Amino acid sequence: QLQLQESGPGLVKPSETLSLTCTVSGDSINSDHYFWAWIRQPPGRGLEWIGSMYDSGTTYYSPSLKSRVSISVDTSKNQFSLNLSSVTVADTAVYFCARDVTRGGAFDVWGPGTMVSVSS
Amino acid sequence: NFMLTQPHSVSESPGKTVAISCTRSSGSIASNYVHWFQQRPGSSPTIVIFEDKQRPSGVPDRFSGSIDSSSNSASLSISGLKTEDEADYYCQSYDGSTLNWVFGGGTKLTVL
Repeated sequence: QLQLQESGPGLVKPSETLSLTCTVSGDSINSDHYFWAWIRQPPGRGLEWIGSMYDSGTTYYSPSLKSRVSISVDTSKNQFSLNLSSVTVADTAVYFCARDVTRGGAFDVWGPGTMVSVSS
Repeated sequence: NFMLTQPHSVSESPGKTVAISCTRSSGSIASNYVHWFQQRPGSSPTIVIFEDKQRPSGVPDRFSGSIDSSSNSASLSISGLKTEDEADYYCQSYDGSTLNWVFGGGTKLTVL
């Protein structure tokens, strides 16, 4: 059974870089050419797609975050990662990683999410 | 760019049927698949409908999806409402012009 787990610091200072890792278990991150995505949810608000990666390196990013985001993969550890630079308090959110089974936004498996606060 | 607009909240009684709308602001709703997610408080979202009307295994057939080109909207219908259906529901679709996956603002369903 496929499982995803986010990990990383729960507190980041303004202007610094937020770095999170998603560990995939129960299947290879290389299998079946799925997309792998990061999605976030500010407290009390809705979902926002951050970016997706497939084929171990091809990436799509949200236009509103594109200048600050990068997603990468470590196939040896079955992990993919998110870096978001120059963070502000507006980046405070629960960050989810997810699998996109149809490569069209059908996120069928999600991690439990990790809360990241941006504060000095 | 387009936006997906959902009602902020809906409420209905147990056993009844409710429909949650998702209206696309520009471009045809039929241009790209619509997916629907359920999010209970304190939990991750789960997919309940994908590709407009397909139901993942394990999702009850009380959940159904449709699109209506005349109103340029998608709809999630839940019949035989149960208290466990109380959750936030989000629609989502793909914006090919900006290579962006767009979520609706979410609808809070209350079953009372």
